[in-house]
Amino acid sequence: AQSVTQLGSHVSVSEGALVLLRCNYSSSVPPYLFWYVQYPNQGLQLLLKYTSAATLVKGINGFEAEFKKSETSFHLTKPSAHMSDAAEYFCAVSYFLGTSYGKLTFGQGTILTVHP
Amino acid sequence: ETGVTQTPRHLVMGMTNKKSLKCEQHLGHNAMYWYKQSAKKPLELMFVYNFKEQTENNSVPSRFSPECPNSSHLFLHLHTLQPEDSALYLCASSPGGREHYEQYFGPGTRLTVT
Repeated sequence: AQSVTQLGSHVSVSEGALVLLRCNYSSSVPPYLFWYVQYPNQGLQLLLKYTSAATLVKGINGFEAEFKKSETSFHLTKPSAHMSDAAEYFCAVSYFLGTSYGKLTFGQGTILTVHP
Repeated sequence: ETGVTQTPRHLVMGMTNKKSLKCEQHLGHNAMYWYKQSAKKPLELMFVYNFKEQTENNSVPSRFSPECPNSSHLFLHLHTLQPEDSALYLCASSPGGREHYEQYFGPGTRLTVT
C-alpha cells in the first residue's frame, strides 16, 4: 500500500528565509512523487514531479525537491521565501504497475505562512 | 478556455434541492476525477473515469451521481445532500491510460448545503 506523510501541518518562515516542507512516502514499488500548491479559493497547481529521472527536480516559482530513496523522502525547498509563496502545499505519491493506472494519494497538506 | 474549468464556482443549495456541477477539460486528456476537499481533512478521491468509463467509486453515497458523456466533460449531480457535504469539490484530468498520475485540477466549486 502506498501512503504519504507531510510532517508539520503549518510552517512559518520570514520573507527571504529558506523554505523546507517535508514529505515522506511509503510505497512497495518505485514511486512517482509530486508537489502541488493550492492558493486560497483555487484548485491545486502542479509544482514539480519526480518520475524516476533525475533525483533533484526543479519546479515552478523557484521550488525544487530531492528524491532520497534511502530516506523515503521527497522534501520541497526554496532558498528564499516570497510573500506570494503563502499557500497550502500537498505532497502526492503514485506508481505505475504494468497496465494499471497510478492513482494519486495525497498527504494532508502543509500551510506555509510567510512573514514580512 | 484553457486547462480545466468548473462551473459554478460557488453554489448554495438546500437539502431538498437538485443541482449539478460541471467540469470541462481542454487538455485532450482521457481520464477525469472528482475530489472532495473538506476543512481539516485530506483530499478525498470520489470518482475516476477513464475513457468515459467509471473505473473507481470510493464508497461515495448515492446522493452524488457522476456522469461522463465524453472525455472532455464530467458532471456531478447532487440531490438530497446533507450539511456535512459542504466542501470544495475539485475536478481533475490526466492523460489517462498509462499516464494516469499527472493530474491537472480545476479551480473547484465551493458548495454550501443549508
